[in-house]
Amino acid sequence: QPVLTQSSSASASLGSSVKLTCTLSSVHSSYIIAWHQQQPGKAPRYLMKLEGSGSYNKGSGVPDRFSGSSSGADRYLTISNLQSEDEADYYCETWDSNTWVFGGGTMLTVL
Amino acid sequence: EVHLLEFGGGLVQPGGSLRLSCAASGFTFSSYAMSWVRQAPGKGLEWVSSIHSGGGTTYNADSVKGRFTISRDNSKNILYLQMNSLRAEDTAVYYCAKLAGYNSGYGMDVWGQGTTVTVSS
Repeated sequence: QPVLTQSSSASASLGSSVKLTCTLSSVHSSYIIAWHQQQPGKAPRYLMKLEGSGSYNKGSGVPDRFSGSSSGADRYLTISNLQSEDEADYYCETWDSNTWVFGGGTMLTVL
Repeated sequence: EVHLLEFGGGLVQPGGSLRLSCAASGFTFSSYAMSWVRQAPGKGLEWVSSIHSGGGTTYNADSVKGRFTISRDNSKNILYLQMNSLRAEDTAVYYCAKLAGYNSGYGMDVWGQGTTVTVSS
């Protein structure tokens, strides 16, 4: 089954940009992933679906500040003009024929 | 507006059973596969179970295989998770999630608010 690897933490300043990385296991490098945001004490929220080509489709109401890109087995989530409400855990997700997998999550701190 | 509302969580003793429900609204429930995902205290997200739109095909994580059963009632727009032989390590917030399509070829695109299950004596 696929494996997703994420850095455990990241930080960036208010108003700046940050790029979070999710790396697929090499044999699964072409897989589509999804990004989800979980603010403290809240349920996860779907952000976008991201393909290996770099094409992405965002969920309803997701601000323009959020974008996705890809390079090889790496899938990226870029957040521009960071706001305080962007401080959250970010999870990537992928799926195979009979299983769904999450990365360990990246805790983003907005300084 | 698409909405998922879980209920049925609570405190249960080890070895006990509990049934979670998830009421769906705002979309054609019978056209979409559904999943359960859990999050232990202070931990990340863990996929638990999924079910195709028609209910005829289900999938379970190894950690719950043989103990948990996912099912759905498309006439009532409700998703279920029957949890038997509960263990302390099943303690978590359980989320209901809609998949983006009718079968296992899709990821999750809507989440419920979660219901808490605590397994303790």
